[in-house]
Amino acid sequence: KNQVEQSPQSLIILEGKNCTLQCNYTVSPFSNLRWYKQDTGRGPVSLTIMTFSENTKSNGRYTATLDADTKQSSLHITASQLSDSASYICVVISGGGADGLTFGKGTHLIIQP
Amino acid sequence: DAGVIQSPRHEVTEMGQEVTLRCKPISGHDYLFWYRQTMMRGLELLIYFNNNVPIDDSGMPEDRFSAKMPNASFSTLKIQPSEPRDSAVYFCASRRAGARNTEAFFGQGTRLTVV
Repeated sequence: KNQVEQSPQSLIILEGKNCTLQCNYTVSPFSNLRWYKQDTGRGPVSLTIMTFSENTKSNGRYTATLDADTKQSSLHITASQLSDSASYICVVISGGGADGLTFGKGTHLIIQP
Repeated sequence: DAGVIQSPRHEVTEMGQEVTLRCKPISGHDYLFWYRQTMMRGLELLIYFNNNVPIDDSGMPEDRFSAKMPNASFSTLKIQPSEPRDSAVYFCASRRAGARNTEAFFGQGTRLTVV
């Protein structure tokens, strides 16, 4: 069964600090992996998408990594800001299944001033 | 474009009542998805349409749930009769035709509370 596991479930850090969110998956066949940011009361918005051959991709203060061998991805946030407080959802895209998307349950990140 | 538009944003209803959620996808998008999000289960696909045709409704939990897409700019998700366990946030998303890695854009969701 395709699964995406995210850790930690929730995280609280001080403004200005860095943090790393983890995503482990057992999805086959693997196509892509996307990270979404979901602000409270809003829908998810895509941060980045990674293909099988990409190891690292940055989007401003967000850097995603992918290790297709170990089936792990991480999202690193540098110099956190209050606006980074949100849920971050890892989504693995495969060639099978209905819409081909397997969602993680997300990591709830709180940035404290 | 205003993005995917959902209505209402919030809905509180009594058990047994009919609930209708509405979605206007982004113009030109061929795919429309309905998701349900809860703390326990995260985002779950309920049903999706391609060019207004339902393709996969295996995620629809029960016969109480039904969805329609009468035209390219409008879709509804109906729950009849509603139950307290249906309480969740329901998202509509749409994307252009293409590979599955084509980005899907989400609406702001409808928070449904069934009491």
